[in-house]
Amino acid sequence: QKEVEQDPGPLSVPEGAIVSLNCTYSNSAFQYFMWYRQYSRKGPELLMYTYSSGNKEDGRFTAQVDKSSKYISLFIRDSQPSDSATYLCAMRTTGGFKTIFGAGTRLFVKA
Amino acid sequence: GAVVSQHPSRVICKSGTSVKIECRSLDFQATTMFWYRQFPKQSLMLMATSNEGSKATYEQGVEKDKFLINHASLTLSTLTVTSAHPEDSSFYICSASGGGYEQFFGPGTRLTVL
Repeated sequence: QKEVEQDPGPLSVPEGAIVSLNCTYSNSAFQYFMWYRQYSRKGPELLMYTYSSGNKEDGRFTAQVDKSSKYISLFIRDSQPSDSATYLCAMRTTGGFKTIFGAGTRLFVKA
Repeated sequence: GAVVSQHPSRVICKSGTSVKIECRSLDFQATTMFWYRQFPKQSLMLMATSNEGSKATYEQGVEKDKFLINHASLTLSTLTVTSAHPEDSSFYICSASGGGYEQFFGPGTRLTVL
């Protein structure tokens, strides 16, 4: 079993839709939860970061962490074609050196 | 956010030659740098972790003699692919960390070995 599971998609939605991206994990020691966005042929960029459980909102993006279920989500409201990219979840333990990445979900937002 | 650059962005070489890729943190000191490899439509595969002034720690299955990593300063790490072969063709991405949770990624280098 992989430490982090993420459906690779692709996920195709119409412009304006609410997008839900998810990851599950097995290591209960993970405390830092990140979402990265990667455009084609570019390096990933940090989109959202959450420490431990809870929600975090930034504009059209909301990150949720449910540690009891070992489940994290990223919601994108009013999705735009410019949101089309691969979204990678990532996790790290406190004091841990290594960040564990999910496989990435490819998202296509159609105009 | 912090900026990480990579050079070159794209390189094409003949089989058997060596290729060096540079990763620089432009506006912060990177105590740790990471090198990843990414195949088309796949996620990042960590190759090695390097701390300034120390030998790199390689992930299982990554050949140390094939992929030479040098982290000579707090702003520069290099990855040398020695005696490159077509199967080494890939997208190589570095990231840098100043000690916190966040990694800042470079734009990647696309290597094509003919």
